[in-house]
Amino acid sequence: EAEVAQSPRYKITEKSQAVAFWCDPISGHATLYWYRQILGQGPELLVQFQDESVVDDSQLPKDRFSAERLKGVDSTLKIQPAELGDSAMYLCASSQLATSTDTQYFGPGTRLTVL
Amino acid sequence: DAKTTQPNSMESNEEEPVHLPCNHSTISGTDYIHWYRQLPSQGPEYVIHGLTSNVNNRMASLAIAEDRKSSTLILHRATLRDAAVYYCILRDVRRGGSNYKLTFGKGTLLTVNP
Repeated sequence: EAEVAQSPRYKITEKSQAVAFWCDPISGHATLYWYRQILGQGPELLVQFQDESVVDDSQLPKDRFSAERLKGVDSTLKIQPAELGDSAMYLCASSQLATSTDTQYFGPGTRLTVL
Repeated sequence: DAKTTQPNSMESNEEEPVHLPCNHSTISGTDYIHWYRQLPSQGPEYVIHGLTSNVNNRMASLAIAEDRKSSTLILHRATLRDAAVYYCILRDVRRGGSNYKLTFGKGTLLTVNP
């Protein structure tokens, strides 16, 4: 069964350093999502792509976070500089189409710890 | 966005049925009810969704109240592998593609006792 791939699985960095996370969605999925999950809470959407275009980045802290999906396939989420409050699980999900009934498939996530 | 209310935690015994409630008193006629679950140290996974009628699949059943202000996710025979956080989420069919994100609450932590 096809899966969403993410790397790295774990990342420890120091405050003010740059970090990057990679996501490879299920083949053929046009929609890609990045979520952030703080311990004890549900995931929160950071950015949504439809092919290579951003359709929702209203919750992305744009002063330090950036996301791209250049060829409409895999995607990278970057944080520069990292802050202590960025410690969280970063989840990538994909779906065939963005509809009210589509299923989103999630990757295993990248757990970020900022020291 | 219409909000959902779920108990923080529930406990069940292995091989017994589990009924996970969700209240959504402000649901609109175009909101689909979705359930996802998140096993420990994994990303969320889809469980089931419905609009008005009860739904069954290989994982669970979804019972939707006649007035749609509440729903119940039913696991017919809980196993240890069903221990997870269960999220009840509303998604509005009227909205465009940018608004089909999943808006997660804190969900219900289900503990299954052997």
